[in-house]
Amino acid sequence: ETGVTQTPRHLVMGMTNKKSLKCEQHLGHNAMYWYKQSAKKPLELMFVYSLEERVENNSVPSRFSPECPNSSHLFLHLHTLQPEDSALYLCASSPLGNMEYGYTFGSGTRLTVV
Amino acid sequence: AQKITQTQPGMFVQEKEAVTLDCTYDTSDQSYGLFWYKQPSSGEMIFLIYQGSYDEQNATEGRYSLNFQKARKSANLVISASQLGDSAMYFCAMREFGDSSYKLIFGSGTRLLVRP
Repeated sequence: ETGVTQTPRHLVMGMTNKKSLKCEQHLGHNAMYWYKQSAKKPLELMFVYSLEERVENNSVPSRFSPECPNSSHLFLHLHTLQPEDSALYLCASSPLGNMEYGYTFGSGTRLTVV
Repeated sequence: AQKITQTQPGMFVQEKEAVTLDCTYDTSDQSYGLFWYKQPSSGEMIFLIYQGSYDEQNATEGRYSLNFQKARKSANLVISASQLGDSAMYFCAMREFGDSSYKLIFGSGTRLLVRP
């Protein structure tokens, strides 16, 4: 049990589908993050939410749409994806104000776009 | 420019021996933190060790130690007495304390394989 739960663990979707990835944490953290991990590439930061407000969007295409309804939940809504979007999507959380604390990561959602 | 550089895409080590994974970083902040994470094939990122830029002593956590050389901007991870379960990807990461988004910047990783 990592403290950060991601669902689903695996997802196969067509390019015309709409799906959502879910991330949940009950660690009392108030910052949450989405990262994309593609094969042979460094982890790419996609979005940062601090106190439920988006504070960073790293030039992510609009076919990825994040949502943070409260401090415990983070979603990534997907629509009209491309095959190159196939990757491991990792969610993480951290407490604000404690810079020495790293992230707690979920186990990731492995996404395949066909 | 890359902020975190891991120059070893892959490493082998014999079981029970020590291994050093290299990490160099680039920042103009005076206050920053350096982290190492392990990622087994299951995909989860597991926190291993932390070093603050003002920490005078090298961090240690069990079999993990961090060889911090501030002037050279390096933060190498040393794993002592390697075990088969240490086979995984290892990522070095940095957080700049002047960055209000609290984000971690990761290197490209090193794949470690422990041989029996």
